[in-house]
Amino acid sequence: AQSVTQLGSHVSVSEGALVLLRCNYSSSVPPYLFWYVQYPNQGLQLLLKYTTGATLVKGINGFEAEFKKSETSFHLTKPSAHMSDAAEYFCAVSVRGGNTPLVFGKGTRLSVIA
Amino acid sequence: GAVVSQHPSWVICKSGTSVKIECRSLDFQATTMFWYRQFPKQSLMLMATSNEGSKATYEQGVEKDKFLINHASLTLSTLTVTSAHPEDSSFYICRPDYGQDTQYFGPGTRLTVL
Repeated sequence: AQSVTQLGSHVSVSEGALVLLRCNYSSSVPPYLFWYVQYPNQGLQLLLKYTTGATLVKGINGFEAEFKKSETSFHLTKPSAHMSDAAEYFCAVSVRGGNTPLVFGKGTRLSVIA
Repeated sequence: GAVVSQHPSWVICKSGTSVKIECRSLDFQATTMFWYRQFPKQSLMLMATSNEGSKATYEQGVEKDKFLINHASLTLSTLTVTSAHPEDSSFYICRPDYGQDTQYFGPGTRLTVL
C-alpha cells in the first residue's frame, strides 16, 4: 500500500522568498508522484508529476520537484514566491499502470506575505 | 489535457433529499472512475472505484447504500447521495482513469445539506 506524508500543514513565506513544501512517500513498488494545487472552492490542478526518467521535474508556474528514491521524498520548490501562489498543495502517489487510485497527503496550505 | 466535467458544480439541498452528481469524461473513454470526497480543510479521500458495467467497490467506512454509483457508459458516471444529511456536506470530485500516467480530475461538486 502507498502513503504520503506532507510535513507542515501550513507554510508561510514572504513574497520573493523560496518556497519549499515537503512530501515523503511510502510505496512497495516504484511510484508515480504528483503535486496538485487547489485554490479555494475549486478543483485540483496538476502542477507536475514524476513517472520515470529525469528525477528533477519541472511543472507549471515555476514549480519543480525532485524525486529522491534514497530519501523517499518528492519535495516541491519554487525559487521566488508570488502572491498568486497562495493555495492548498497536495502531494499524491500512485503506482505504475492504470486502474490505480491516487493516495493523497493531508495537504499544505501556503500563505504568501507581502 | 483531458476534459472532465461535473454537474452541478454546487448544490444545496434539504436534509433527507437525494442528490445526483454527474461526472463526464469528454475527451476519452474511461472504463474506471474514482470518486473522492473532500471535507473542509482536509485532504481528498477515496470513496469508491467503479468500472463500467459492473458494481462499484467502496472503501472501508463508505456506505454503499447511501452513495450510489452508476457507471453505465465509458463517458458518464454518477454519484447519488441518498437521504442526505448535513454531515454529507462535502466537496465531491471524480477522476476518470485512462490507463495512462496522468491523472485528470473533475472540477468538483460542492454539496451543502441544510
